[in-house]
Amino acid sequence: LAKTTQPISMDSYEGQEVNITCSHNNIATNDYITWYQQFPSQGPRFIIQGYKTKVTNEVASLFIPADRKSSTLSLPRVSLSDTAVYYCLVGDIPDTGRRALTFGSGTRLQVQP
Amino acid sequence: EAQVTQNPRYLITVTGKKLTVTCSQNMNHEYMSWYRQDPGLGLRQIYYSMNVEVTDKGDVPEGYKVSRKEKRNFPLILESPSPNQTSLYFCASSRLAGGPGTGELFFGEGSRLTVL
Repeated sequence: LAKTTQPISMDSYEGQEVNITCSHNNIATNDYITWYQQFPSQGPRFIIQGYKTKVTNEVASLFIPADRKSSTLSLPRVSLSDTAVYYCLVGDIPDTGRRALTFGSGTRLQVQP
Repeated sequence: EAQVTQNPRYLITVTGKKLTVTCSQNMNHEYMSWYRQDPGLGLRQIYYSMNVEVTDKGDVPEGYKVSRKEKRNFPLILESPSPNQTSLYFCASSRLAGGPGTGELFFGEGSRLTVL
């Protein structure tokens, strides 16, 4: 299974851009990279998903280099409400070879005023 | 409203007393999964199911059982709970159709279990 490594915690200030990097050296060809956000006492919530290069949606961007051994979640202009734990997930549910999905330990982002 | 519902949300029990945590989704998803979350360890997958009557072990299946008799339900069974199963449990579901990369997981609100 593709193991992921993320920083344990990060601090930022409101209005700044935050980049959280996830390492996944043994990512498989069929694996997608997905990021989730989790607030205390709530279930994780999908943020963004990608396979390679760059993906952008209304809340974040995901950068994936050509070798796909890492990925970077970019949150533009964070606010206090972005304080949460962010998880990088490598895998793909429809994959016929491996179906277990492994989350990393997550990165706790603290946004200060 | 699309949702994954878990019950109970909170439970305190004693060692060895069988319990079941229910999970139900109303999105007609094929894929369902159980995770446990412990401080410093993130989310670890216990079991998952690709469809009715199809289940498989995740990373930490010891001490747990699951069943998938209906598409919408995926109960987690602790036959003989022990204190090391004290944890926060999450159920999740996802569709499989639509091709690779479309497997967004929808999580329930969690079930906090304490085994004394």
